[in-house]
Amino acid sequence: AQTVTQSQPEMSVQEAETVTLSCTYDTSESDYYLFWYKQPPSRQMILVIRQEAYKQQNATENRFSVNFQKAAKSFSLKISDSQLGDAAMYFCAYRSALSQFYFGTGTSLTVIP
Amino acid sequence: DTEVTQTPKHLVMGMTNKKSLKCEQHMGHRAMYWYKQKAKKPPELMFVYSYEKLSINESVPSRFSPECPNSSLLNLHLHALQPEDSALYLCASSLKPQSKRGGFVGQFFGPGTRLTVL
Repeated sequence: AQTVTQSQPEMSVQEAETVTLSCTYDTSESDYYLFWYKQPPSRQMILVIRQEAYKQQNATENRFSVNFQKAAKSFSLKISDSQLGDAAMYFCAYRSALSQFYFGTGTSLTVIP
Repeated sequence: DTEVTQTPKHLVMGMTNKKSLKCEQHMGHRAMYWYKQKAKKPPELMFVYSYEKLSINESVPSRFSPECPNSSLLNLHLHALQPEDSALYLCASSLKPQSKRGGFVGQFFGPGTRLTVL
């Protein structure tokens, strides 16, 4: 089974600064998808960004970007110009070819005004 | 319509009650999921339905009984629950992996049902 590891249980960032959340995964598949989900205190899971494994170009969504290193099985999330609304739990997720999703343990991000 | 709805938002039940959670989506997704989530923990997969058939059951106790009446609806029937079953129950849906490359293959999550078992 695939495993997803988030080694940073908690992170903090100053407002307007940049922060990087790390994620590594283990798989024997060649075709898969990776995601970052955000879960604010409301507990609604919100998709932040996605990356297809067959694409070499790193995905970008406004202030959010990823550093996808397929050989290293690493998928980090960079948040630029951090805002107070970015404070949330962030989960890295892996989707297998069989539609199973595997989540990391999460990183709790605090944004300091 | 790009959302997953769940009802009820909150549910309090006794250990002898029978209740049901409901999930609905109209995005044409043919994979639907039930997750259980405790506070500050990742979602734990319970069940996966693929084309209205149960494809994955992650060794969930029989007091949880899923049902997929049609491609848009997913129910979770609850009976004789324990206090430790209190959690947020999340429903999600996604496209099937056979979808062509470039299509969205992530999961859309509903807002969840906060369940408290007394």
